[in-house]
Amino acid sequence: KAGVTQTPRYLIKTRGQQVTLSCSPISGHRSVSWYQQTPGQGLQFLFEYFSETQRNKGNFPGRFSGRQFSNSRSEMNVSTLELGDSALYLCASSLDGTGVDTQYFGPGTRLTVL
Amino acid sequence: QKEVEQNSGPLSVPEGAIASLNCTYSDRGSQSFFWYRQYSGKSPELIMSIYSNGDKEDGRFTAQLNKASQYVSLLIRDSQPSDSATYLCAVNPTYSSASKIIFGSGTRLSIRP
Repeated sequence: KAGVTQTPRYLIKTRGQQVTLSCSPISGHRSVSWYQQTPGQGLQFLFEYFSETQRNKGNFPGRFSGRQFSNSRSEMNVSTLELGDSALYLCASSLDGTGVDTQYFGPGTRLTVL
Repeated sequence: QKEVEQNSGPLSVPEGAIASLNCTYSDRGSQSFFWYRQYSGKSPELIMSIYSNGDKEDGRFTAQLNKASQYVSLLIRDSQPSDSATYLCAVNPTYSSASKIIFGSGTRLSIRP
């Protein structure tokens, strides 16, 4: 079974631009979560989608948004990029996102904001 | 107080020895606990999950959970150089809510030959 895939793997943008990242979950998985990983803050939860609905949200500004499609693929968007948005963005999928569900991570998208 | 706390390390362990990684969490109602391994430049990969008090063994890895002490640990027996990585402790604070895994900052483990 194919794993979680993320595209693109690397991105370079400038301040003020916007960016869209894509995540395809493991086949059959309906929950997709997004995380931001930086050396200073570690892995931080952004949001989780299930059946095209955002079910949970972390403490990030409204510039960070996402959506999920009927095939469970998910996208996240960051508008008006800031230097501090440079990070590794990881998505993780799980069957239904319940408390005991295991999340499987994709390879990540490395975003650099100049 | 951080929700999930780990010693950042680095923890240096000789090859063949037991590596012991520790994690404490703040939400007493937490039900699900995970250990992920992350190599530099790679994404986290799940090593173990544990939900009940006690020990859970999988090959060279043993996870230990003590809910009364709000403590979870990972033991790696017969440590190998390939075990050198950052180990992330993760907790799902509630049993039935949507996924909102809280990660610790990770412990860097170095296995010296």
